[in-house]
Amino acid sequence: SQQGEEDPQALSIQEGENATMNCSYKTSINNLQWYRQNSGRGLVHLILIRSNEREKHSGRLRVTLDTSKKSSSLLITASRAADTASYFCATDPSGSARQLTFGSGTQLTVLP
Amino acid sequence: GAGVSQSPSNKVTEKGKDVELRCDPISGHTALYWYRQSLGQGLEFLIYFQGNSAPDKSGLPSDRFSAERTGGSVSTLTIQRTQQEDSAVYLCASSLALTNYEQYFGPGTRLTVT
Repeated sequence: SQQGEEDPQALSIQEGENATMNCSYKTSINNLQWYRQNSGRGLVHLILIRSNEREKHSGRLRVTLDTSKKSSSLLITASRAADTASYFCATDPSGSARQLTFGSGTQLTVLP
Repeated sequence: GAGVSQSPSNKVTEKGKDVELRCDPISGHTALYWYRQSLGQGLEFLIYFQGNSAPDKSGLPSDRFSAERTGGSVSTLTIQRTQQEDSAVYLCASSLALTNYEQYFGPGTRLTVT
């Protein structure tokens, strides 16, 4: 099964509202990353949070990480129609593994 | 500077033909990754390179898939005797190093096997 699983699978909100997406994972990690994908093509890196960090901000994005619960959340504040996209969490597992493992994503729709 | 580029952007091929997909990573990035994404799905890891070597090929779905990287830069993913289930978007990414660095993705190659 996927290392990272996003929740919910789909989210629809009005412009100006906040959007929260969650990610759960199974194994210990070096870091967790969030990516955005528009129209099924290339992904754009949003933010990376290391295993020793609990919260990180970048513009309207806020990411939290709880390693005891093996979970992370991505909050987008004051959403805009342009935020409509799929959002993926990706875990960089500790140990010998060297590749990111992506979840199946949350499809966010922001209605104008 | 330039981002990750991939070619072709779209490829339609007949079942049984071989295809080659190309990835040009960001200059100076030592790590390069290939993923596959089927319609509406997450990313499936295929293979990564550190320099020219690929220590782990276990993500390749079958022996029809192979990849190489030369000169620590350009990589090609080759699919032999394509099948319809190979239809997907193939994404390439590069990063400065293997661990604790974000990956920069190319726009992908949409492969359709008819």
